[in-house]
Amino acid sequence: LAKTTQPISMDSYEGQEVNITCSHNNIATNDYITWYQQFPSQGPRFIIQGYKTKVTNEVASLFIPADRKSSTLSLPRVSLSDTAVYYCLVESPSGNTPLVFGKGTRLSVIA
Amino acid sequence: EPEVTQTPSHQVTQMGQEVILRCVPISNHLYFYWYRQILGQKVEFLVSFYNNEISEKSEIFDDQFSVERPDGSNFTLKIRSTKLEDSAMYFCASTLSTGELFFGEGSRLTVL
Repeated sequence: LAKTTQPISMDSYEGQEVNITCSHNNIATNDYITWYQQFPSQGPRFIIQGYKTKVTNEVASLFIPADRKSSTLSLPRVSLSDTAVYYCLVESPSGNTPLVFGKGTRLSVIA
Repeated sequence: EPEVTQTPSHQVTQMGQEVILRCVPISNHLYFYWYRQILGQKVEFLVSFYNNEISEKSEIFDDQFSVERPDGSNFTLKIRSTKLEDSAMYFCASTLSTGELFFGEGSRLTVL
């Protein structure tokens, strides 16, 4: 599976929009891009998944350019409770292939 | 909303003891996984399980580890003879096929 690279940490003030960019230069044609969120002492939680262009749900938006070599998770108007580690993963469409987590981006939201 | 449940939430054990961590995946899911996370480190894949057998395992999942789905609902991880370095959060996860992987809240294992 393609390796992902994302910033180790980011800080933001409450109410701001936060964009976390992930690079995955070696993504395969059929791979999806998936983002998970992890609070301290909890299991990772699925946020959003996309293949190309833009995907939006009630939590976040995911922007994927045409070459799919990167993606940007956008969190609108963050609050203190959005403080967490955010993982970008490249996922094979086969249900059998385990997810491989990197170190993620530690987002700290400040009042 | 259906969820993956894990027990115990925290277990303290002596080095060399056997430990069994239990998970109840979401009922209609078909793929099951164990991950672990040592304090301050990344989430590491241990093993995946499908159709009543291991489908993939990492190099961490050595002979000390085993998994079982004894009764169609529980999914267990056994560590035969715990070592200090087995201290970690162990997460069970399940999924129906592709897409969202549902994780449990984890079992914290402390080996003394």
